Amino acid sequence: AQSVTQLGSHVSVSEGALVLLRCNYSSSVPPYLFWYVQYPNQGLQLLLKYTTGATLVKGINGFEAEFKKSETSFHLTKPSAHMSDAAEYFCAVTKSWGSGGSNYKLTFGKGTLLTVNP
Amino acid sequence: NAGVTQTPKFQVLKTGQSMTLQCAQDMNHEYMSWYRQDPGMGLRLIHYSVGAGITDQGEVPNGYNVSRSTTEDFPLRLLSAAPSQTSVYFCASSSDRNGNTIYFGEGSWLTVV
Repeated sequence: AQSVTQLGSHVSVSEGALVLLRCNYSSSVPPYLFWYVQYPNQGLQLLLKYTTGATLVKGINGFEAEFKKSETSFHLTKPSAHMSDAAEYFCAVTKSWGSGGSNYKLTFGKGTLLTVNP
Repeated sequence: NAGVTQTPKFQVLKTGQSMTLQCAQDMNHEYMSWYRQDPGMGLRLIHYSVGAGITDQGEVPNGYNVSRSTTEDFPLRLLSAAPSQTSVYFCASSSDRNGNTIYFGEGSWLTVV
């Protein structure tokens, strides 16, 4: 079974500081991995995704994540936080589902709320 | 581009009432799904569909019903609303079974009193 663990339900950083949001997954096969961002009272926006190929993935708004198979991790980073980065972030992994495991569903972590202090 | 459209955006229901959350996509995607989002729980799958006429249950299907009569539409029905169904609901669609490219609607905020 695949699951996603986000370490830290709330992360607080100062403006200009490094952002590190942690995500670990459990999977018996290489999964597809995603990071989504959700601003207050809005829907989900895809930040970046890993499917195959290069393990360092660059996304929007200066975020990037590295797929580390040996550590089963997909941590999200940004070198310098902006006030506009304050939001909730969700890590997600595809999971086979349905009869014969022929279809997918996204399994989400419980989210990490990022606050950015001036 | 409309993408995935959900209606209504906000709704207040009384316990025991029924209602339907509408979801439509204009991308000719085969795969559609409904999630609910609750504080501290992330998003959990309610029901999903892999094509017109085919639906199946997700993690938390109780109290909800779906149908898929067309490729475009995937309505979610609350049969008899309960306060525990107060949540934010998201519809999603994808063209591939791996979820490589998935599009979410803007969400529907539902309160059951």
